[in-house]
Amino acid sequence: AQSVTQPDIHITVSEGASLELRCNYSYGATPYLFWYVQSPGQGLQLLLKYFSGDTLVQGIKGFEAEFKRSQSSFNLRKPSVHWSDAAEYFCAVGTSGGSYIPTFGRGTSLIVHP
Amino acid sequence: DGGITQSPKYLFRKEGQNVTLSCEQNLNHDAMYWYRQDPGQGLRLIYYSQIVNDFQKGDIAEGYSVSREKKESFPLTVTSAQKNPTAFYLCASSRPPGHVNTGELFFGEGSRLTVL
Repeated sequence: AQSVTQPDIHITVSEGASLELRCNYSYGATPYLFWYVQSPGQGLQLLLKYFSGDTLVQGIKGFEAEFKRSQSSFNLRKPSVHWSDAAEYFCAVGTSGGSYIPTFGRGTSLIVHP
Repeated sequence: DGGITQSPKYLFRKEGQNVTLSCEQNLNHDAMYWYRQDPGQGLRLIYYSQIVNDFQKGDIAEGYSVSREKKESFPLTVTSAQKNPTAFYLCASSRPPGHVNTGELFFGEGSRLTVL
């Protein structure tokens, strides 16, 4: 079965600083990879996804992520964080065979200081 | 606009009562999911359904039940057998991979259940 690890429970950055949120996955084949964002009391919104092709994917709100097969990673980055980026971020992996059941990491809470 | 609607947004329940959370989608998606979210634990899968009239248990199905009589609807019942039901519940839908723009989950706004 696949699994997802987000090693950072909380990340604190200053507004305008760069951001990198880490995500590692475990799956035998090429996975489908996703990053979602959640504001308090809300559902999850898709930031970006990787299915195949270019390993650097661009998403909404200025986010990007890079798939590194050798490291089993799919880290999320943003060059300059805005206060409105404060939220919970979830990495997820979906498998390419059988029943489609995406698995989520535990999430990383982003705190943005002015 | 297409999307997923969950209701109610907030629900209070006395111990020993069953409650049903509604989830409706008009995205024409085949697959639907129920996740439970607790602080620091991410999303845990309760039940999922890949097609009408069929559903499967997820990782934490005990104390929950579902039905999938229509493609658009996937209600979740939290029974009195669920020992710790206070949580945030999220419903989602997707097309399976192989279609355009598939694999991603579309989420509702969630339902917060509190047991008094």
